[in-house]
Amino acid sequence: EPEVTQTPSHQVTQMGQEVILRCVPISNHLYFYWYRQILGQKVEFLVSFYNNEISEKSEIFDDQFSVERPDGSNFTLKIRSTKLEDSAMYFCASSEALRNQPQHFGDGTRLSIL
Amino acid sequence: GQQLNQSPQSMFIQEGEDVSMNCTSSSIFNTWLWYKQEPGEGPVLLIALYKAGELTSNGRLTAQFGITRKDSFLNISASIPSDVGIYFCAGHPRTNNDMRFGAGTRLTVKP
Repeated sequence: EPEVTQTPSHQVTQMGQEVILRCVPISNHLYFYWYRQILGQKVEFLVSFYNNEISEKSEIFDDQFSVERPDGSNFTLKIRSTKLEDSAMYFCASSEALRNQPQHFGDGTRLSIL
Repeated sequence: GQQLNQSPQSMFIQEGEDVSMNCTSSSIFNTWLWYKQEPGEGPVLLIALYKAGELTSNGRLTAQFGITRKDSFLNISASIPSDVGIYFCAGHPRTNNDMRFGAGTRLTVKP
């Protein structure tokens, strides 16, 4: 069964550094998402992306964050000047359509900021 | 207004027992979805519901989309140890496109 893949599985970074989290969505999906889950808390929406532009973003997704589809298969989340509170699991998801379609999740990248 | 209130927060049950959990909101939702998350993995879709009143099963799991479109429940019958995990409800609010998650129900099954 097709799946969303994310790399790396664990990223450790010094505070203030930039990180790029990578995702390969399911190949026939057109909508891509990033979510964050702080340890022990619920999954929080960050951003949705379609047709090479952001469709929706939450208040969490501020100027520190950016997303990109650099080629036909990858979808990346960049976090500039990381802070301690950015430590979390970051999940990528994809769906066939934006509204009302199930989203399929990758296994996440655990980001640890030191 | 578009927050999902999921309960219970955690459940400790004996193998073979049935389980019920639910999600409510003060807002109307167009879809309700139930995901399961195990340690170190991403949420895995269990059931998706698209219409008010819809009742859908997936093996021992049954979920319903509430008539008011403001709630949903998930039942697990005859629980087994591999049912252990965190179950999240999620949904698409009527008024925007992003998907909201509940806080999760942590299920522990004792053999």
